[in-house]
Amino acid sequence: QVQLQESGPGLVKPSQTLSLTCTVSGGSISSGNYYWSWIRQPAGKGLEWIGRIYTSGSTDYNPSLKSRVTISVDTSKNQLSLNLSSVTAADTAVYYCARGIATAARWGQGTLVTVSS
Amino acid sequence: DIVMTQTPLSLSVTPGQPASISCKSSQSLLHSDAKTYLYWYLQKPGQPPQLLIYEVSNRFSGVPDRFSGSGSGTDFTLKISRVEAEDVGVYYCMQSIQFPWTFGQGTKVEIK
Repeated sequence: QVQLQESGPGLVKPSQTLSLTCTVSGGSISSGNYYWSWIRQPAGKGLEWIGRIYTSGSTDYNPSLKSRVTISVDTSKNQLSLNLSSVTAADTAVYYCARGIATAARWGQGTLVTVSS
Repeated sequence: DIVMTQTPLSLSVTPGQPASISCKSSQSLLHSDAKTYLYWYLQKPGQPPQLLIYEVSNRFSGVPDRFSGSGSGTDFTLKISRVEAEDVGVYYCMQSIQFPWTFGQGTKVEIK
């Protein structure tokens, strides 16, 4: 059973870049026809899909974040990464990575990122 | 963006009784490949969302058969035939026919 685990700094200063990693275990990140997504959830609020990367390396981003987001995969480390630049307090949220074919079927536990000086 | 609208936003249910949640999309979720890209998730307190239903009516692996999904086009429903205590949490519908994938606001289900 594939497992996903997010990691990264819990605190990021405004205007800096938020960088998170999702480590995949129990399966190869490059096998199968899967999309690997990042999704976030501000405290007490709903879910926002950030973007996804296919096993081929092609990416799709939420237009609302597209200018600030980069999603990549490191197959040698079996990891998925998220970079979100020029963060503000509005980017404070729990960030999840997920895997699926046309949706997010398997999720990590999430990691809380707070943007504050 | 496709807007997903759920009703009700909260629901209090007696154990053993049925529950129903509606989800309406601002555009049809029926794709030219004949699939309808509508999903249901449950987020239990302190946990990530878990997939319950995919493509309107298919239960995901391990999901109890008391959960069922129905609908077509722009109108969808999640039904729980007999609510159990472990079913508490927030239910979300989600569409993936168009970028960006979007979620409903969530329906909070609690036990009376």
